[in-house]
Amino acid sequence: EAGVTQFPSHSVIEKGQTVTLRCDPISGHDNLYWYRRVMGKEIKFLLHFVKESKQDESGMPNNRFLAERTGGTYSTLKVQPAELEDSGVYFCASSQHDPTYVSGYTFGSGTRLTVV
Amino acid sequence: EDKVVQSPLSLVVHEGDTVTLNCSYEVTNFRSLLWYKQEKKAPTFLFMLTSSGIEKKSGRLSSILDKKELFSILNITATQTGDSAIYLCAVFNAGNNRKLIWGLGTSLAVNP
Repeated sequence: EAGVTQFPSHSVIEKGQTVTLRCDPISGHDNLYWYRRVMGKEIKFLLHFVKESKQDESGMPNNRFLAERTGGTYSTLKVQPAELEDSGVYFCASSQHDPTYVSGYTFGSGTRLTVV
Repeated sequence: EDKVVQSPLSLVVHEGDTVTLNCSYEVTNFRSLLWYKQEKKAPTFLFMLTSSGIEKKSGRLSSILDKKELFSILNITATQTGDSAIYLCAVFNAGNNRKLIWGLGTSLAVNP
């Protein structure tokens, strides 16, 4: 099966610009998660979709971040306007079943975002 | 606040050595602990541990969990250069959310 696909793999933008990251989960996986790793820090949870519904968005840093999953397939994460501290690697992951019992998630390769 | 601490943060060994990576945690309502290997791209799943004292094994890698002392170890025997990677430890709590709490990772370099 195809894995979790993220696009772009790298993005360099100027402070104040807008960037949209995309994640295509494994087909049939209702659960989709976004995580972020800022340099030197742990990977941190951002949010969790079940199909098109946001199940938990407690990790979203602020209202400059907007995640959507229209139709319950792919998801986008938009940062507008981007700030320097938004730089990091954004990971997407998906799971079919409850990941706390069965093998966790499958991760995408991540999008490395650099805000200059 | 929930946290996961890994040690060492960095390790350099020679091929053939055996390494032990450590992961301790303080997480409310622990559900499971996971080990991932991250090379250049996506973290790839190694093990999920839910019960104390039961060793999980895959080739030269093995892992065990101690829920009383709140830690896990990941052992790699007869290391190879292909084992060079960041090894990440993460924990699920049993709350309604399904988010992982991560450690910083251990960066392992295996030299020929």
